[in-house]
Amino acid sequence: SQTIHQWPATLVQPVGSPLSLECTVEGTSNPNLYWYRQAAGRGLQLLFYSVGIGQISSEVPQNLSASRPQDRQFILSSKKLLLSDSGFYLCAWSGGLVPNQPQHFGDGTRLSIL
Amino acid sequence: KQEVTQIPAALSVPEGENLVLNCSFTDSAIYNLQWFRQDPGKGLTSLLLIQSSQREQTSGRLNASLDKSSGRSTLYIAASQPGDSATYLCAVNTDKLIFGTGTRLQVFP
Repeated sequence: SQTIHQWPATLVQPVGSPLSLECTVEGTSNPNLYWYRQAAGRGLQLLFYSVGIGQISSEVPQNLSASRPQDRQFILSSKKLLLSDSGFYLCAWSGGLVPNQPQHFGDGTRLSIL
Repeated sequence: KQEVTQIPAALSVPEGENLVLNCSFTDSAIYNLQWFRQDPGKGLTSLLLIQSSQREQTSGRLNASLDKSSGRSTLYIAASQPGDSATYLCAVNTDKLIFGTGTRLQVFP
């Protein structure tokens, strides 16, 4: 069966520090991968998605970036965090071969910026 | 621009009641609609997915319907239990998922 892992579960960072969140998927090949952010009191917002290694689409202009160095690895990064980057970050995957498959989410990373 | 609305925003009911959660969307050009459950501080658990050509899907005590022409979906929970307490999110797929802000459900014994 397929599983998705995100880490760390929680993170407290000072303003201006760098960020690296990692997500890996097991039990499937060529998945579509997604990064979402859920801010307090707001809905989930799609940040990035990827249909293959090195292929990244950005949905929202911001100081975050994403990379996909391996088929089942998705990384969310920032060089300098802002207070507004605080939130709950979720990684998700869906089957890549057949379109419009359900998305499955990880347990999330709660990021607090001080 | 697709907008997804969920009503009510919060719901508190006694155990055993049958519940209906509502989701509406403004653009009927969707591929499918997915219902999720989110426990506090946790990720999303997929409950049901309805393709645009389908009218409903069932899983255990859950039944989701879709009326694409009117831009509505309902999630029916039969015989609610305290373990059903969570936030329920619907999302429409238009090449990407557009989420509603959720219904926070509390079922008390």
